[in-house]
Amino acid sequence: DAGVTQSPTHLIKTRGQHVTLRCSPISGHKSVSWYQQVLGQGPQFIFQYYEKEERGRGNFPDRFSARQFPNYSSELNVNALLLGDSALYLCASSLSGSPQETQYFGPGTRLLVL
Amino acid sequence: AQRVTQPEKLLSVFKGAPVELKCNYSYSGSPELFWYVQYSRQRLQLLLRHISRESIKGFTADLNKGETSFHLKKPFAQEEDSAMYYCALRTKAAGNKLTFGGGTRVLVKP
Repeated sequence: DAGVTQSPTHLIKTRGQHVTLRCSPISGHKSVSWYQQVLGQGPQFIFQYYEKEERGRGNFPDRFSARQFPNYSSELNVNALLLGDSALYLCASSLSGSPQETQYFGPGTRLLVL
Repeated sequence: AQRVTQPEKLLSVFKGAPVELKCNYSYSGSPELFWYVQYSRQRLQLLLRHISRESIKGFTADLNKGETSFHLKKPFAQEEDSAMYYCALRTKAAGNKLTFGGGTRVLVKP
């Protein structure tokens, strides 16, 4: 099993553009969470999805949105990019998203906004 | 709101010396505490969680509710322990959401 996979590995955008990041969970995992990690800081929770429903949302503006597909993969969308959106975006998966479960992280997508 | 603080950005120790990474948290209830590790060019992975009370790779951590701390310790550091370490907290009310500290970089010198 390749574990959690994310694409692309890195990308460069300019201010005002839109970006879509993708995540495929570990086979059998139905819950996906997204985190933003700004350089020099710890990851910060953005969203959690389970069975295509949003289960949790962090303190991020409405420019950030996500969705989960029937195969449990997920997309994170960010509109009207700002310089401050430059970060490593991490995806984590777990079986059902219950608090007792371990979350497994992907390698991340590094986004640079110019 | 919950918060996790790791006061040291960098810890540099010699091989064979003890190492202790500090983690303090603020939360009024009973949280679940974790340590995650990220080795060079690898993804973030769980090192240990306070609920399991086990020792992983020689590391231990004790939850001190009185001092709201969850410090990570290892009596004899090895070069392969060089990595970025993150303390994280989870609460029942927040479900699956993890709140991370800022991280501590550990450098073990030969």
